[in-house]
Formats: sequence, C-alpha cells, structure tokens
Amino acid sequence: DTGVSQDPRHKITKRGQNVTFRCDPISEHNRLYWYRQTLGQGPEFLTYFQNEAQLEKSRLLSDRFSAERPKGSFSTLEIQRTEQGDSAMYLCASRRQPNTGELFFGEGSRLTVL
Amino acid sequence: RKEVEQDPGPFNVPEGATVAFNCTYSNSASQSFFWYRQDCRKEPKLLMSVYSSGNEDGRFTAQLNRASQYISLLIRDSKLSDSATYLCVVNEAGTALIFGKGTTLSVSS
Repeated sequence: DTGVSQDPRHKITKRGQNVTFRCDPISEHNRLYWYRQTLGQGPEFLTYFQNEAQLEKSRLLSDRFSAERPKGSFSTLEIQRTEQGDSAMYLCASRRQPNTGELFFGEGSRLTVL
Repeated sequence: RKEVEQDPGPFNVPEGATVAFNCTYSNSASQSFFWYRQDCRKEPKLLMSVYSSGNEDGRFTAQLNRASQYISLLIRDSKLSDSATYLCVVNEAGTALIFGKGTTLSVSS
C-alpha cells in the first residue's frame, strides 16, 4: 500500500500525559499536512511542511503541540500535557509539489483523553 | 468571521433529486477551490476541483463566483451512494487548504 499511513490508529490516554502520532506520507510527496477533526466539524488546519521545513502553523495551535519532519519523509505530532479538549481525530495528508490541489489523507489517529 | 462557510445541513433528499450546496469564503486572495467528500468514519477524498469557468463531472457541477466569493456544487439525479458529507475547501497560494465545516447529504430510497 503506497497511501498515507498513520500510527497509532487509536490512542486513549489520561489527562496530563504526552502523546505522539506518526505519519508516513506518499513517498514522492513534498508537502505534509496535519489537521484535527472533531465530530460534526470539518478538518481544522494545524500545520504543514514542505520537505523538512515547517512553513505554516495555525494560530489556534497551542505551545503544547509540536510537529517535526526531520528528514523530509515521515512526520510526528506530539501533544504535551494532554487535555480533554484535545480529544479528536488527527489527520495527516500529503500532496505533490507543485500545487496540484489534491490532498491524500491517511485514515487518522483517534485520540481520547480521559 | 470564519474563513470558509457552508450551508447548514443535513440535506435529506429522495433518490433522483437535484441538490445544491453553497459555500462562501472570506479571503479574496484565495486561488484554488475544491469540493471534498467524506464518508462516515472515513478520511476526506477529493471530489472535484472548481474552476473559474465552472466544470462538470458526470452528475456533479461546480461553479465559482470570485466577485461574490461563492462556490457551489450541484448534484443531479442523486444516488443512495451520494450520501456523505461534502466539504468546501479553499486555498490561498503558498498556504494550507482550509476546509469548511461540511454539509451532510442523506439520499433515501
């Protein structure tokens, strides 16, 4: 399978714990995006990378969130000191440069904070 | 003001009906426009891009009005399999794609 893969698919954690999600994009895609989605809402933009450079970060993203893409391939999204409001589906997507428009999404990592 | 706003749903229509979804965006510098489809508990997938001259793909027609900052999607002859959430997506050059909240369509027999 050469699609976008995310791990873990599900994560249940207690409030205050740190969690990390991993995303492996489609191999020839330069751009990698992280979105968050809650029930009844559209995907909310968090951040995106072009190769290893983080080009944009949402104003809504608190300093508890950090993302990396160290070698321009896979990416990690870490949430420190989780809160119940962080419970959501975290979606990763990638696309080829130049801008072709189509984002290919992974199946997401569902986070539940108790 | 939200960047991308869509019609509130849900839309409940019988098979064969024609249904239209509307979307407005706030950033006049936006350059690219799309409709994505999201099935229940699945990831979003591209349905179609939206071009200035309007474009059609089978039963689906997309329109863009830059002056009014308005995008539409028309679905003709609705099928049961069209039941999904339709997401309006806007992209300013060099920035991330911004998604609307989505409009849910339910087609019944």
